[in-house]
Amino acid sequence: QKEVEQDPGPLSVPEGAIVSLNCTYSNSAFQYFMWYRQYSRKGPELLMYTYSSGNKEDGRFTAQVDKSSKYISLFIRDSQPSDSATYLCAMRGNRDDKIIFGKGTRLHILP
Amino acid sequence: DGGITQSPKYLFRKEGQNVTLSCEQNLNHDAMYWYRQDPGQGLRLIYYSQIVNDFQKGDIAEGYSVSREKKESFPLTVTSAQKNPTAFYLCASSRGHLNTEAFFGQGTRLTVV
Repeated sequence: QKEVEQDPGPLSVPEGAIVSLNCTYSNSAFQYFMWYRQYSRKGPELLMYTYSSGNKEDGRFTAQVDKSSKYISLFIRDSQPSDSATYLCAMRGNRDDKIIFGKGTRLHILP
Repeated sequence: DGGITQSPKYLFRKEGQNVTLSCEQNLNHDAMYWYRQDPGQGLRLIYYSQIVNDFQKGDIAEGYSVSREKKESFPLTVTSAQKNPTAFYLCASSRGHLNTEAFFGQGTRLTVV
């Protein structure tokens, strides 16, 4: 079993819809969870990060972590065509600096 | 402006040649990372460094080498031993230890011709 699993998509939704992106993981030592957005041929841009379980909201974005299920989510409200990108989840433990990434989900917001 | 600078943006290499990718950061971060990104593969860790003069192999270190002589710099050498070097290479840094966010450069696209 891979440490981090993420559906590669593509995921196509109409403009204005709520988008749900998810990752599962197997390592219970992971404590820090991150979401990155990557446009084509660019470096990933950090969107949000959370520590341990719970929710975090920033504008149209909400990150959720459920450590009991080893499941994390990113919700995008009022999706825009400019949200079309690849979204990568990432996570790490608190014993070293190694960061593990999911494969990324390609998202298309249809105008 | 603080950030991570990777150079060059595009690089072409002949088979059998070594090539070095540059990564510089002025964020005063302790930890630096090199990832390789291939279509459908996500980001795979090549090497990472938690502190100057120290680095660890990641998941796909074979055919690569790094150095960390200065806090700001973490160059990656792709050697002729790397069998399939054509890829998009990404450098990242973070404050390390308990701090978590990693920030990325804009990448170097290496093509073997």
